[in-house]
Amino acid sequence: AQKVTQAQTEISVVEKEDVTLDCVYETRDTTYYLFWYKQPPSGELVFLIRRNSFDEQNEISGRYSWNFQKSTSSFNFTITASQVVDSAVYFCALRTQGGSEKLVFGKGTKLTVNP
Amino acid sequence: GAGVSQSPSNKVTEKGKDVELRCDPISGHTALYWYRQSLGQGLEFLIYFQGNSAPDKSGLPSDRFSAERTGGSVSTLTIQRTQQEDSAVYLCASSLTRARPLDQYFGPGTRLLVL
Repeated sequence: AQKVTQAQTEISVVEKEDVTLDCVYETRDTTYYLFWYKQPPSGELVFLIRRNSFDEQNEISGRYSWNFQKSTSSFNFTITASQVVDSAVYFCALRTQGGSEKLVFGKGTKLTVNP
Repeated sequence: GAGVSQSPSNKVTEKGKDVELRCDPISGHTALYWYRQSLGQGLEFLIYFQGNSAPDKSGLPSDRFSAERTGGSVSTLTIQRTQQEDSAVYLCASSLTRARPLDQYFGPGTRLLVL
């Protein structure tokens, strides 16, 4: 069975602070993909990043960075110098290859960035 | 180009009534997914359509839920005899299956409230 755990339900930071959102996953498949989505108050899920299970190279995109570690089954997301516009619910998701390739989501972390 | 669209944006219904939710995927996307986002349950997969293949209905919570996809494009999710626990945001996503690894693009969702 596949499972994604986002242990942090809510996080509140002050603008310009760095914040890390944790994601731990479970799967028995050797080929899988990990995702992060952002859901702002408007409600629409916005794709942020996709990583495959064979690529553990960390990625940086502007103020966003992702740390994928297969040894700990984690795919953590860090926002550097947070801004009020980063306030949203962030979802980590897992998808295995084959079949319907549905996404298995964590329950999300609500991030509030205060001015 | 146009993204995934869903209608209605909001729906309020009385317990016991039937509702239909519509999803228009991105043009050319052959795969279509329905997910449900409810408080305390996070995002849950409901059903998946891929071309002319039999849909993956493994996520439908009960036989009151059904979905169809006409002409390989528009999809309708029907909930019969709605219950209060059906209140949730219903999200539709589509993906272009000629590409790997099938990134899913989400619509804005339909917020369903069953009174």
